[in-house]
Amino acid sequence: DAMVIQNPRYQVTQFGKPVTLSCSQTLNHNVMYWYQQKSSQAPKLLFHYYDKDFNNEADTPDNFQSRRPNTSFCFLDIRSPGLGDAAMYLCATSTLSTGNTDTQYFGPGTRLTVL
Amino acid sequence: DAKTTQPPSMDCAEGRAANLPCNHSTISGNEYVYWYRQIHSQGPQYIIHGLKNNETNEMASLIITEDRKSSTLILPHATLRDTAVYYCIVKNRGSTLGRLYFGRGTQLTVWP
Repeated sequence: DAMVIQNPRYQVTQFGKPVTLSCSQTLNHNVMYWYQQKSSQAPKLLFHYYDKDFNNEADTPDNFQSRRPNTSFCFLDIRSPGLGDAAMYLCATSTLSTGNTDTQYFGPGTRLTVL
Repeated sequence: DAKTTQPPSMDCAEGRAANLPCNHSTISGNEYVYWYRQIHSQGPQYIIHGLKNNETNEMASLIITEDRKSSTLILPHATLRDTAVYYCIVKNRGSTLGRLYFGRGTQLTVWP
């Protein structure tokens, strides 16, 4: 089945130690998104790629970076995680072309713990 | 910037219809209403979307008022597996590169 896969599902890191979360998709969608969801809050968009074009949200901290080496993969890098970065990180994909529903397909998320 | 207002919580008996309201009084003419839901510890899941006509699919029905300032998501026969947070989102289809801005949503609890 076509899907959005996130690895790992659970990640523990130390305060200040860089961490990378990964997302892959078999849907061949041209847009990939990263959301942050803190406990009991709604998902918040961090940034997205439209093909190779990176689009950062205005209030996303510089501590968060992303890479998209090809259509299928997208990475979220947190350069120096703080305690406040503990959250669920959600990856999503969509395809933007004439006639489509513009639906986003989400992965199961990676829950990040910062010690 | 969420442009919708939803009740924080609702409950519903299993087998009954669940009617989830959403206010979007500042919606503009080219903005669609999308509904997603998020079951605990899972990623959000698309349910349905519409512009001005009522829509129905295998999951739900969407009723949009004539002035488009509010809508209702209807789950016709709620099951325990429908317990989730339901998000109503207003967005331009396509032109904002698919950005979804989630509000607080409605926690729907379906009880046996």
